[in-house]
Amino acid sequence: GDSVTQTEGPVTVSESESLIINCTYSATSIAYPNLFWYVRYPGEGLQLLLKVITAGQKGSSRGFEATYNKETTSFHLQKASVQESDSAVYYCALGEGNYAQGLTFGLGTRVSVFP
Amino acid sequence: DPKIIQKPKYLVAVTGSEKILICEQYLGHNAMYWYRQSAKKPLEFMFSYSYQKLMDNQTASSRFQPQSSKKNHLDLQITALKPDDSATYFCASSQDRVNTEVFFGKGTRLTVV
Repeated sequence: GDSVTQTEGPVTVSESESLIINCTYSATSIAYPNLFWYVRYPGEGLQLLLKVITAGQKGSSRGFEATYNKETTSFHLQKASVQESDSAVYYCALGEGNYAQGLTFGLGTRVSVFP
Repeated sequence: DPKIIQKPKYLVAVTGSEKILICEQYLGHNAMYWYRQSAKKPLEFMFSYSYQKLMDNQTASSRFQPQSSKKNHLDLQITALKPDDSATYFCASSQDRVNTEVFFGKGTRLTVV
C-alpha cells in the first residue's frame, strides 16, 4: 500500500533558525501522486499548508517551501527562518488526482519554536 | 469561527458501549469524510460521503457506521466499543470529491476504558 515517512518529532528549534522536515513517500497504487503538507496549530484542526501536484515543481506558503522530487520520492518541508507562531504539528500526505477521496498521511512532526 | 464543528471534544466510553460522534460543516461543501488517528499511528482515512451517499469505505469493521441526516452532517456511530478504538477522530469536508481542498475539524478524542 501507499505510505509516507517523515521526520520523527518532536523537533525543537530557536526562533530565526532554519527548519527542515523530511518526508519520503511510497506510492504503489498511484502512478502520479499529489503531495501535501498539512499543519495543525495548537487547538485547531488540520489545515492545508501547501500542495504540489506535478513532479519537479515547488510549492510555497507562509515562508515554507517543498519540492516534489520523484527521483528520490521526497517532499521535504523547509523554512529559512522560523517564528514562534510556526510551532505546530506538520503532516506530509499523498493522494490521487482526485485527492478528496482519501489521503495517506505521515505520522506528523511536532515542531516547537522557542524565542 | 470554526467551520467544521465536532462534538464532543473529548469522550470517555466503557468497553462494549456505543457512542455517536457528531460532525457539522458550515462551508457549503458536498463531500464529507472521517479520519482517525490512533496513538503512534498516522491519520487513517475511514469514509467518504458525497451528497449524503457513501462513496468510499476503508474501514474493515461494521461497528463503524457513518450517518448523514442532512447534507452538512456526517455523524459516526461506533458500536461495541473496544479499547483499540481509542483515537482522535477527525471529520473533514471538501467542496466536491474531485480536486478540491480538504478542510478538517478539530477532532474528537475518544478513550475507551
